[in-house]
Amino acid sequence: QITLKESGPTVVKATQTLTLTCTFSGFSLSTSGVGVSWIRQPPGKALEWLALIYWDDDKRYSPSLKSRLTITKDPSKNQVVLTMTNMDPVDTATYYCARPYNSIYFDYWGQGTLVTVSS
Amino acid sequence: QSVLTQPPSVSGAPGQKITISCTGTSSNIGAGYDVHWYQQFQGTAPKLLISGTGNRPSGVPDRFSGSKSGTSASLAITGLQAEDEADYYCQSYDSGLSAWVFGGGTKLTVL
Repeated sequence: QITLKESGPTVVKATQTLTLTCTFSGFSLSTSGVGVSWIRQPPGKALEWLALIYWDDDKRYSPSLKSRLTITKDPSKNQVVLTMTNMDPVDTATYYCARPYNSIYFDYWGQGTLVTVSS
Repeated sequence: QSVLTQPPSVSGAPGQKITISCTGTSSNIGAGYDVHWYQQFQGTAPKLLISGTGNRPSGVPDRFSGSKSGTSASLAITGLQAEDEADYYCQSYDSGLSAWVFGGGTKLTVL
């Protein structure tokens, strides 16, 4: 059974750095072809892909947010960490981690964690 | 503004058929990348509904189907049921952006 779960602060202040952790089970980030991605959704708005990290440490970032994002992994802990610098109230959103299937679509999602950025 | 364009809302009566469009460009859908669909109920995470042009995960009824032509794709739901009321998102890959992209989402209301 594949599960993912996001954890991190529920509130951050503007200009601070956000650190979120995705803890997963049922698959391994040491396996060829496997990756974990982060996707966010502002309240009442659409989904936005943020970043993806592969088993071989290849990393991909949203072009519009690349300068603010860092994604890392710890296969031994089955965890992927996303950091986002210089947070702004417009970054208020539910942040999801998800497993990309063959780098094509996202077949398993975490429950999401709502992060509010206070000014 | 989302890279893929969807109508903000659609509605239909129980038993009817509805379609939701997803319009892209030559760097995503038009470039041959598959379109995938997700269903999201209020307050819950998105769930994969259809991958590619017709692959449904286990448990998804065959009332749901997908199609693609040119730079557009569509999700069709036949025999509409009250439980289908949700938000629907399309997703593809954009080679120009080197990014996975989503549509703006469509809210389905069952009348």
